[in-house]
Amino acid sequence: DAGVIQSPRHEVTEMGQEVTLRCKPISGHDYLFWYRQTMMRGLELLIYFNNNVPIDDSGMPEDRFSAKMPNASFSTLKIQPSEPRDSAVYFCASSLGLAPYNEQFFGPGTRLTVL
Amino acid sequence: GQQVMQIPQYQHVQEGEDFTTYCNSSTTLSNIQWYKQRPGGHPVFLIQLVKSGEVKKQKRLTFQFGEAKKNSSLHITATQTTDVGTYFCAPGGSQGNLIFGKGTKLSVKP
Repeated sequence: DAGVIQSPRHEVTEMGQEVTLRCKPISGHDYLFWYRQTMMRGLELLIYFNNNVPIDDSGMPEDRFSAKMPNASFSTLKIQPSEPRDSAVYFCASSLGLAPYNEQFFGPGTRLTVL
Repeated sequence: GQQVMQIPQYQHVQEGEDFTTYCNSSTTLSNIQWYKQRPGGHPVFLIQLVKSGEVKKQKRLTFQFGEAKKNSSLHITATQTTDVGTYFCAPGGSQGNLIFGKGTKLSVKP
Protein backbone atom coordinates (compact mmCIF):
# COMPACT_ATOMS: atom_id res chain seq x y z
CA ASP A 1 0.00 0.00 0.00
CA ALA A 2 1.23 3.50 -0.80
CA GLY A 3 0.22 4.85 2.57
CA VAL A 4 -1.91 7.93 3.11
CA ILE A 5 -1.76 10.21 0.09
CA GLN A 6 -2.27 13.95 0.30
CA SER A 7 -2.39 16.59 -2.39
CA PRO A 8 -1.17 19.13 -3.08
CA ARG A 9 2.05 18.94 -1.07
CA HIS A 10 2.43 22.69 -1.15
CA GLU A 11 -0.16 25.39 -1.73
CA VAL A 12 0.39 29.11 -1.88
CA THR A 13 -2.67 31.27 -2.23
CA GLU A 14 -3.87 34.76 -1.59
CA MET A 15 -6.16 35.82 1.19
CA GLY A 16 -9.79 35.37 0.27
CA GLN A 17 -9.23 32.49 -2.11
CA GLU A 18 -10.76 29.05 -1.69
CA VAL A 19 -8.37 26.24 -0.81
CA THR A 20 -9.13 22.53 -1.13
CA LEU A 21 -6.87 19.90 0.40
CA ARG A 22 -7.25 16.26 -0.58
CA CYS A 23 -6.59 12.98 1.16
CA LYS A 24 -6.71 9.32 0.21
CA PRO A 25 -6.56 7.07 3.29
CA ILE A 26 -5.05 3.62 3.47
CA SER A 27 -7.43 1.10 1.97
CA GLY A 28 -9.47 -0.68 4.62
CA HIS A 29 -9.01 1.97 7.28
CA ASP A 30 -12.33 3.01 8.79
CA TYR A 31 -11.14 6.22 10.43
CA LEU A 32 -9.82 9.39 8.85
CA PHE A 33 -8.44 12.37 10.73
CA TRP A 34 -7.55 15.91 9.69
CA TYR A 35 -4.91 17.74 11.75
CA ARG A 36 -3.35 21.19 11.57
CA GLN A 37 0.20 21.81 12.77
CA THR A 38 1.67 25.20 13.64
CA MET A 39 4.59 26.24 15.79
CA MET A 40 2.33 28.07 18.20
CA ARG A 41 -0.48 25.56 18.64
CA GLY A 42 1.23 22.28 17.83
CA LEU A 43 -0.72 19.41 16.28
CA GLU A 44 -4.45 20.01 16.54
CA LEU A 45 -7.22 17.61 15.58
CA LEU A 46 -9.73 19.37 13.34
CA ILE A 47 -12.22 16.63 12.52
CA TYR A 48 -12.44 12.90 12.17
CA PHE A 49 -14.64 10.47 10.26
CA ASN A 50 -15.74 6.92 10.88
CA ASN A 51 -16.96 5.02 7.83
CA ASN A 52 -17.27 8.33 5.96
CA VAL A 53 -19.43 9.92 8.66
CA PRO A 54 -18.09 12.95 10.59
CA ILE A 55 -17.88 12.02 14.26
CA ASP A 56 -16.30 15.02 15.93
CA ASP A 57 -15.75 18.38 14.27
CA SER A 58 -15.27 20.36 17.46
CA GLY A 59 -11.73 21.21 16.41
CA MET A 60 -12.77 22.97 13.21
CA PRO A 61 -11.75 26.59 13.78
CA GLU A 62 -14.77 28.29 12.27
CA ASP A 63 -17.34 28.18 9.53
CA ARG A 64 -14.73 28.93 6.91
CA PHE A 65 -13.53 25.35 7.32
CA SER A 66 -15.47 22.38 6.01
CA ALA A 67 -14.60 18.74 5.47
CA LYS A 68 -16.26 15.98 3.51
CA MET A 69 -15.73 12.30 2.91
CA PRO A 70 -17.89 11.25 -0.04
CA ASN A 71 -16.51 7.72 -0.06
CA ALA A 72 -14.08 5.46 1.78
CA SER A 73 -11.13 6.44 -0.37
CA PHE A 74 -11.36 10.21 -0.51
CA SER A 75 -11.71 13.20 1.78
CA THR A 76 -11.40 16.95 1.32
CA LEU A 77 -10.75 19.83 3.67
CA LYS A 78 -11.90 23.16 2.29
CA ILE A 79 -11.13 26.66 3.52
CA GLN A 80 -13.27 29.44 2.10
CA PRO A 81 -12.28 32.24 2.29
CA SER A 82 -8.70 31.62 3.34
CA GLU A 83 -6.84 33.96 5.71
CA PRO A 84 -3.13 34.39 6.50
CA ARG A 85 -3.64 32.82 9.93
CA ASP A 86 -4.66 29.59 8.20
CA SER A 87 -1.06 29.11 7.09
CA ALA A 88 0.06 25.78 8.53
CA VAL A 89 0.84 22.20 7.64
CA TYR A 90 -2.32 20.14 7.31
CA PHE A 91 -2.03 16.40 7.90
CA CYS A 92 -4.46 13.68 7.07
CA ALA A 93 -4.20 10.39 8.99
CA SER A 94 -6.07 7.12 8.88
CA SER A 95 -6.42 4.13 11.15
CA LEU A 96 -8.21 0.79 11.44
CA GLY A 97 -9.82 1.87 14.69
CA LEU A 98 -9.44 4.17 17.65
CA ALA A 99 -6.90 4.28 20.46
CA PRO A 100 -5.55 2.51 22.37
CA TYR A 101 -5.05 -0.46 20.11
CA ASN A 102 -4.81 1.29 16.80
CA GLU A 103 -2.07 3.54 15.54
CA GLN A 104 -2.64 6.42 13.19
CA PHE A 105 -0.85 6.56 9.86
CA PHE A 106 -0.09 10.09 8.71
CA GLY A 107 0.19 11.39 5.21
CA PRO A 108 3.09 13.64 4.14
CA GLY A 109 1.05 16.78 4.78
CA THR A 110 0.09 19.85 2.78
CA ARG A 111 2.02 23.01 3.56
CA LEU A 112 -0.41 25.89 3.09
CA THR A 113 0.73 29.48 2.82
CA VAL A 114 -1.89 32.21 2.63
CA LEU A 115 -0.50 35.58 1.60
CA GLY B 1 -10.39 19.17 27.84
CA GLN B 2 -7.66 16.69 28.52
CA GLN B 3 -4.21 18.15 28.03
CA VAL B 4 -0.69 17.02 28.66
CA MET B 5 2.49 18.93 29.19
CA GLN B 6 5.67 17.72 27.57
CA ILE B 7 9.04 18.70 28.95
CA PRO B 8 11.49 19.82 27.92
CA GLN B 9 10.35 21.71 24.85
CA TYR B 10 13.84 21.50 23.33
CA GLN B 11 16.85 19.32 24.09
CA HIS B 12 20.28 19.57 22.56
CA VAL B 13 22.62 16.65 23.21
CA GLN B 14 26.01 15.46 22.09
CA GLU B 15 25.91 12.23 20.15
CA GLY B 16 26.25 9.36 22.58
CA GLU B 17 24.49 11.14 25.44
CA ASP B 18 21.18 9.94 26.80
CA PHE B 19 17.90 11.79 26.31
CA THR B 20 14.60 11.74 28.18
CA THR B 21 11.31 13.46 27.48
CA TYR B 22 8.41 13.53 29.92
CA CYS B 23 4.69 13.75 29.40
CA ASN B 24 2.63 14.87 32.41
CA SER B 25 -1.09 15.05 32.95
CA SER B 26 -3.22 16.38 35.79
CA THR B 27 -5.79 13.67 35.13
CA THR B 28 -5.52 9.90 34.85
CA LEU B 29 -4.83 8.69 31.34
CA SER B 30 -6.39 5.52 29.99
CA ASN B 31 -3.66 4.99 27.44
CA ILE B 32 -0.92 6.86 25.62
CA GLN B 33 0.85 6.63 22.29
CA TRP B 34 4.21 8.07 21.27
CA TYR B 35 5.10 9.42 17.82
CA LYS B 36 8.26 10.74 16.20
CA GLN B 37 8.36 13.44 13.54
CA ARG B 38 11.58 13.95 11.61
CA PRO B 39 12.33 17.49 10.40
CA GLY B 40 10.10 18.21 7.42
CA GLY B 41 8.30 14.91 7.87
CA HIS B 42 5.13 13.57 9.34
CA PRO B 43 4.41 11.91 12.71
CA VAL B 44 5.22 8.21 12.80
CA PHE B 45 3.90 5.85 15.46
CA LEU B 46 6.43 4.45 17.91
CA ILE B 47 4.56 2.68 20.72
CA GLN B 48 1.41 2.48 22.76
CA LEU B 49 1.14 2.05 26.54
CA VAL B 50 -2.00 0.91 28.31
CA LYS B 51 -1.16 -0.67 31.66
CA SER B 52 -0.15 1.07 34.86
CA GLY B 53 3.62 0.91 35.32
CA GLU B 54 4.13 -0.55 31.86
CA VAL B 55 7.64 -0.47 30.42
CA LYS B 56 8.39 -1.24 26.79
CA LYS B 57 11.70 -1.23 24.98
CA GLN B 58 12.60 -0.78 21.34
CA LYS B 59 16.36 -1.14 20.94
CA ARG B 60 17.75 2.07 22.51
CA LEU B 61 14.30 3.50 23.29
CA THR B 62 12.55 2.81 26.60
CA PHE B 63 8.96 3.88 27.18
CA GLN B 64 7.30 4.02 30.58
CA PHE B 65 3.76 4.60 31.79
CA GLY B 66 3.52 5.84 35.37
CA GLU B 67 1.99 3.79 38.13
CA ALA B 68 -0.77 6.36 38.56
CA LYS B 69 -1.15 6.66 34.77
CA LYS B 70 -0.65 10.41 34.96
CA ASN B 71 2.72 10.53 33.30
CA SER B 72 4.84 8.82 30.73
CA SER B 73 8.42 9.06 29.56
CA LEU B 74 10.60 8.18 26.61
CA HIS B 75 14.29 7.55 27.23
CA ILE B 76 16.87 7.17 24.48
CA THR B 77 20.20 5.63 25.40
CA ALA B 78 23.33 6.77 23.57
CA THR B 79 21.67 9.09 21.08
CA GLN B 80 22.58 8.99 17.41
CA THR B 81 22.10 11.59 14.70
CA THR B 82 19.24 9.50 13.35
CA ASP B 83 17.31 10.23 16.57
CA VAL B 84 16.89 13.88 15.57
CA GLY B 85 13.27 14.99 15.45
CA THR B 86 10.30 15.91 17.58
CA TYR B 87 8.83 13.34 19.93
CA PHE B 88 5.15 13.61 20.77
CA CYS B 89 3.11 11.90 23.41
CA ALA B 90 -0.55 11.44 22.53
CA PRO B 91 -2.99 10.28 25.18
CA GLY B 92 -6.18 8.68 23.98
CA GLY B 93 -9.19 10.95 24.40
CA SER B 94 -12.57 9.93 25.74
CA GLN B 95 -13.77 9.13 22.24
CA GLY B 96 -10.67 7.18 21.28
CA ASN B 97 -9.09 10.02 19.34
CA LEU B 98 -5.58 11.23 20.20
CA ILE B 99 -4.62 14.49 21.90
CA PHE B 100 -1.10 15.40 20.96
CA GLY B 101 1.29 17.17 23.31
CA LYS B 102 3.42 20.04 22.02
CA GLY B 103 6.38 17.70 21.62
CA THR B 104 10.05 17.71 22.56
CA LYS B 105 12.41 18.71 19.80
CA LEU B 106 15.68 16.79 19.96
CA SER B 107 18.83 17.87 18.23
CA VAL B 108 21.98 15.75 18.27
CA LYS B 109 25.41 17.18 17.71
CA PRO B 110 27.79 14.72 16.05
